[in-house]
Amino acid sequence: DSGVTQTPKHLITATGQRVTLRCSPRSGDLSVYWYQQSLDQGLQFLIQYYNGEERAKGNILERFSAQQFPDLHSELNLSSLELGDSALYFCASSPTTASYEQYFGPGTRLTVT
Amino acid sequence: AQSVTQLGSHVSVSEGALVLLRCNYSSSVPPYLFWYVQYPNQGLQLLLKYTTGATLVKGINGFEAEFKKSETSFHLTKPSAHMSDAAEYFCAVSVPTGANSKLTFGKGITLSVRP
Repeated sequence: DSGVTQTPKHLITATGQRVTLRCSPRSGDLSVYWYQQSLDQGLQFLIQYYNGEERAKGNILERFSAQQFPDLHSELNLSSLELGDSALYFCASSPTTASYEQYFGPGTRLTVT
Repeated sequence: AQSVTQLGSHVSVSEGALVLLRCNYSSSVPPYLFWYVQYPNQGLQLLLKYTTGATLVKGINGFEAEFKKSETSFHLTKPSAHMSDAAEYFCAVSVPTGANSKLTFGKGITLSVRP
């Protein structure tokens, strides 16, 4: 158990819908990262937050957005969902921005039908 | 930009045999390198990491990896495979800029262990 929690574990929704994935980092970790794992693209970095502020952006679609709240939990919002958005979404956390050891949560499996 | 190449998508070994999973990286600055393992229906677990210092790093579950700058490689090895090692293994690189520490992953290698 990494100490990072993600909810829900599974999510099934229809095209065009909007969903929110939630992540709680390890106690004391200030930095949160979101990754997408799909068969086509592999594991890709989406976005990083540090202490409530966006720190880095990767291959994140404009339909996707994220935020980190004052209690340090983070949410990834996915809208106008397409079939190709079906994937496993991981959250990871680390103590600071320069902490290169990231701890991963169990992931949320999103299925878009 | 940095990148990682993991040759082959599947490696099969016999129980007790040597495990060798290859990883090559590309980075314009000295990188930090990682191996993660993913068991079925689970998240990623850090096996080992190289940041600075000793180029041979030891990790959990008997795995080790050697950073070879001249070969831009960071291959993962284990002297004797166990059935419980069957999983997917990802090599990852991070560039220590200090501003962020996003990981760039390879495509992963599935390790099968035959009895």
